Amino acid sequence: NAGVMQNPRHLVRRRGQEARLRCSPMKGHSHVYWYRQLPEEGLKFMVYLQKENIIDESGMPKERFSAEFPKEGPSILRIQQVVRGDSAAYFCASSLGTGIYNEQFFGPGTRLTVL
Amino acid sequence: DAKTTQPPSMDCAEGRAANLPCNHSTISGNEYVYWYRQIHSQGPQYIIHGLKNNETNEMASLIITEDRKSSTLILPHATLRDTAVYYCIVRVSGSARQLTFGSGTQLTVLP
Repeated sequence: NAGVMQNPRHLVRRRGQEARLRCSPMKGHSHVYWYRQLPEEGLKFMVYLQKENIIDESGMPKERFSAEFPKEGPSILRIQQVVRGDSAAYFCASSLGTGIYNEQFFGPGTRLTVL
Repeated sequence: DAKTTQPPSMDCAEGRAANLPCNHSTISGNEYVYWYRQIHSQGPQYIIHGLKNNETNEMASLIITEDRKSSTLILPHATLRDTAVYYCIVRVSGSARQLTFGSGTQLTVLP
């Protein structure tokens, strides 16, 4: 059973460009979470999605950032008009979403570098 | 979710047991203690979780005090590959909400 997959693993963008990060959850998982880790800082929650719905986006910056988890296909984190401060590691996690054994499983991350 | 307190760093000799403490004095009755770790530059990895009884799996043991205000993660025979930041997180059982990561404990296993 494949784990959480993220691509690309490394992404380089120039200021003002768009970045699209993809996350495929573990098989059978319908809950997806995105976290960001700035250099030398801890992991911060960004957004929590279920299929076709955003459940909690309290950690998302108000502008330029959006996320989706369509009925078919991976979850996408989109950053428009990137700035240098967006350089970070972006991790996706998935879970079953129910029951006490609701641990989240993380992907390897996408490292975004903004030049 | 209850707040947790962990020492910022610890060292452990290779082959010895690593005991990582966590204080969670404001934990509620329906909150579980979860442990994750993050090896440098990798995604966090789930280790173990528990409510009030001690738990053991192939990776580690979790000892929770009777009053549930603190716990200890035990890696019985630490290896160099266990060098990582270890996070203690308290959250409601069955919760599908996000994880709140603190600063964690940087465990360094020394040869």
